[in-house]
Amino acid sequence: QITLKESGPTLVKPTQTLTLTCTFSGFSLNTRGMGVGWIRQPPGKALEWLALIYWDDDKRYSTSLKSRLTISKDTSGNEVVLTMTNMDPGDTATYYCAHTTWEVLSNWFDPWGQGTLVTVSS
Amino acid sequence: QSVLTQPPSVSGAPGQTVTISCTGGSSNIWAGYDVHWYQQFPGTAPKVIIYGTKKRPSGVPDRFSGSKSGASASLAIAGLQPEDEADYYCQSYDSSLSGNWVFGGGTKLTVL
Repeated sequence: QITLKESGPTLVKPTQTLTLTCTFSGFSLNTRGMGVGWIRQPPGKALEWLALIYWDDDKRYSTSLKSRLTISKDTSGNEVVLTMTNMDPGDTATYYCAHTTWEVLSNWFDPWGQGTLVTVSS
Repeated sequence: QSVLTQPPSVSGAPGQTVTISCTGGSSNIWAGYDVHWYQQFPGTAPKVIIYGTKKRPSGVPDRFSGSKSGASASLAIAGLQPEDEADYYCQSYDSSLSGNWVFGGGTKLTVL
């Protein structure tokens, strides 16, 4: 059974850097084909894909946020970290991490973590 | 706005069939990329209910079905039940922006 859980600050100030950790079990990012993605959802709004990292350290970023995002994985294969710089109140959202596998015709995300609400305010 | 377009809301009475559309373009659905659908209840994480355009994960009732034609995909929910009331999102891959996974704007399903 795959489970994921996000952790990090619930409140950050504008211009600060957000660091979120996704800790998971039931699979390893050292296994071929595995991946972890980050998706966020502002209150009352739609889902937005942010970043994804594969087992081979291939990293993908949302084009619109690429300059602010960094995704990485630890050597144990059970943790992924996302950093987002220069936080703005518009970045207030629930941030989810989710398991994915490499697919030729488009990955899907399953399952998802419970999400963590990050509020950006001074 | 989202790369994939969904109606903001749909509704139906118990027992009816409703369809939620997801319209994309030449760099995503029309290009042949699969479409996936997620169900989200308030305060909870999304859960995939259709993957690979028309496949159902185990445990998802066969009342849920997916299809695709041209640049659009659809989620059909037959025999509508009160517990189907939720938000639904489509998702695919877009090859135009150096590779991005994209979501629709979401559709709120109300069971009357």
